[in-house]
Amino acid sequence: EAGVTQFPSHSVIEKGQTVTLRCDPISGHDNLYWYRRVMGKEIKFLLHFVKESKQDESGMPNNRFLAERTGGTYSTLKVQPAELEDSGVYFCASSHGPSGGYGYTFGSGTRLTVV
Amino acid sequence: GEDVEQSLFLSVREGDSSVINCTYTDSSSTYLYWYKQEPGAGLQLLTYIFSNMDMKQDQRLTVLLNKKDKHLSLRIADTQTGDSAIYFCAVLSGGYNKLIFGAGTRLAVHP
Repeated sequence: EAGVTQFPSHSVIEKGQTVTLRCDPISGHDNLYWYRRVMGKEIKFLLHFVKESKQDESGMPNNRFLAERTGGTYSTLKVQPAELEDSGVYFCASSHGPSGGYGYTFGSGTRLTVV
Repeated sequence: GEDVEQSLFLSVREGDSSVINCTYTDSSSTYLYWYKQEPGAGLQLLTYIFSNMDMKQDQRLTVLLNKKDKHLSLRIADTQTGDSAIYFCAVLSGGYNKLIFGAGTRLAVHP
């Protein structure tokens, strides 16, 4: 089966611009997660979808970040307007049910650089 | 809040054993994981342990869990250059379906 796919792999944008990251989960996985690693620090949870509903968005930094998952398939994460501190690697992950003993399947990440 | 701590860097000689340590604060974590990230790649699940276990072995990997001290370790036997990567400790947040990660330990394997 295809894994979790993220687009683009790299993005360099100027401060104030808008960027949209996309994640295609494994087919049939109802649970989709976004995580972020900033400046070599720990990987932090951003939010969790179950199908098209936001189950937990407690990790979203501020209202410049908007995540959607229309139809419960792929998800987008939009940053508008981007700030320098938004630079980092954004990971998407999916799971069929609660992660439990299987963990999540992660994508390769999108490296975002805001200049 | 919940926290996971790891040492940031470990250097070992090829063929030796590597031990990567991790401490966590959430005593209600049910599952604890080790992920590996190679350069330019995503996060690969290496192994996991359930909180009612003390040890789990999988080929060259041994995971030890000391629940009393909230300490998790990953031992890699006969470390090879291909093991060079960043290793992340993660715990499943008790009561929530999300992972709490450490900052990652960069393992460097030299001849």
